[in-house]
Amino acid sequence: EIVLTQSPATLSLSPGERATLSCRASQSVSSNLAWYQQKPGQAPRLLIYDASNRATGIPARFSGSGSGTDFTLTISSLEPEDFAVYYCQQRSNWWTFGQGTKVEIK
Amino acid sequence: EVQLLESGGGLVQPGGSLRLSCAASGFTFSNYGMSWVRQAPGKGLEGVSIISDSGHTTYYADSVKGRFTISRDNSKNTLYLQMNSLRAEDTALYYCAKALAPGRPFDYWGQGALVTVSS
Repeated sequence: EIVLTQSPATLSLSPGERATLSCRASQSVSSNLAWYQQKPGQAPRLLIYDASNRATGIPARFSGSGSGTDFTLTISSLEPEDFAVYYCQQRSNWWTFGQGTKVEIK
Repeated sequence: EVQLLESGGGLVQPGGSLRLSCAASGFTFSNYGMSWVRQAPGKGLEGVSIISDSGHTTYYADSVKGRFTISRDNSKNTLYLQMNSLRAEDTALYYCAKALAPGRPFDYWGQGALVTVSS
């Protein structure tokens, strides 16, 4: 099973700041990586697929990069509604999720 | 508008069974793979099972293999998860999710059905 490790576990930032979230795979997943956002009491929302493609309706401030084992989700300037938990997911071998990064208001 | 509505959750004793349903609307259900993803209270996401658009291909997480069965009825636009031999560690919110495309991640999710396994 491919293990995805997300870091940091918690990111404390202020609105307007840049957020950089990391996801590392235990073996190569090529570009088969997605990012989701989940707010309390809500279902996950697809943000990025195939490592760098924004899903429909996702604002341009969200971007994804990476391939192989190292991936990054960047939020260029945090809006109040961006404070949430973010998960990465691979589909290269079965499909697994990272443990999540919580982006909280500083 | 795509909608996924789960039902069938509840409280069940260890060793018991439960069947979840997911009613889909707003898209051509028979054209898309579907899945079940669960989230234990306060925990992260775990893939449970996935089924192809035709229903002919299914995959399961090792943790549920042999106990859970995913199926679909394309004439009723409904996805199912039959859960047998339930354990305390199966307690979770179970989400139904639609695949963006074959082998792709999930672009629409339901609001979840809560399954609690406890005596």
